[in-house]
Amino acid sequence: GDSVTQMEGPVTLSEEAFLTINCTYTATGYPSLFWYVQYPGEGLQLLLKATKADDKGSNKGFEATYRKETTSFHLEKGSVQVSDSAVYFCAALTLYSGAGSYQLTFGKGTKLSVIP
Amino acid sequence: KAGVTQTPRYLIKTRGQQVTLSCSPISGHRSVSWYQQTPGQGLQFLFEYFSETQRNKGNFPGRFSGRQFSNSRSEMNVSTLELGDSALYLCASSRGVGETQYFGPGTRLLVL
Repeated sequence: GDSVTQMEGPVTLSEEAFLTINCTYTATGYPSLFWYVQYPGEGLQLLLKATKADDKGSNKGFEATYRKETTSFHLEKGSVQVSDSAVYFCAALTLYSGAGSYQLTFGKGTKLSVIP
Repeated sequence: KAGVTQTPRYLIKTRGQQVTLSCSPISGHRSVSWYQQTPGQGLQFLFEYFSETQRNKGNFPGRFSGRQFSNSRSEMNVSTLELGDSALYLCASSRGVGETQYFGPGTRLLVL
């Protein structure tokens, strides 16, 4: 079945450090890919997305590029801030064949802590 | 434009009871999906509704059910609650099937 694998956390970085969170997927076809962020006690917020190969999603200094050849969608940010501390989820929107329905398949999440 | 809203935000129930959770999608969105989030299993898909029809259901027992109304609002019901049903239940809406999903704040259910 479809699956998303992202690097295990937790990740602890100093403020202004470079961030990379790896994400790879296994799915039929070419799903749309997403990064969501979850702050303590809250739901998921869409961070960025890409819908086809070589698309780059970006938002708030975060970037991720849809790499079809490596089935990857790694999240990067050049200089993290304390306010970026949260749990980050990689997700693929995959087709549930035969029903014309889609569902998000999530990675297990990576907890990021940024220290001043 | 208002985001996805979920009520109630918190619930405490005892084993054997039933519970109904409500979700109001973003205005103009016709698809609603539900997910369960637990520390052990992570985020798992429950159902998807579009135009009042359940189009897909995840691998959950029949105690989990839901419906969607003509105004796209959705409810999910869990009957005969078990301790393992304690979780954050997240609702997401999208304009249509296969489009970007936007999440609500969730309902945190605790079963004692």
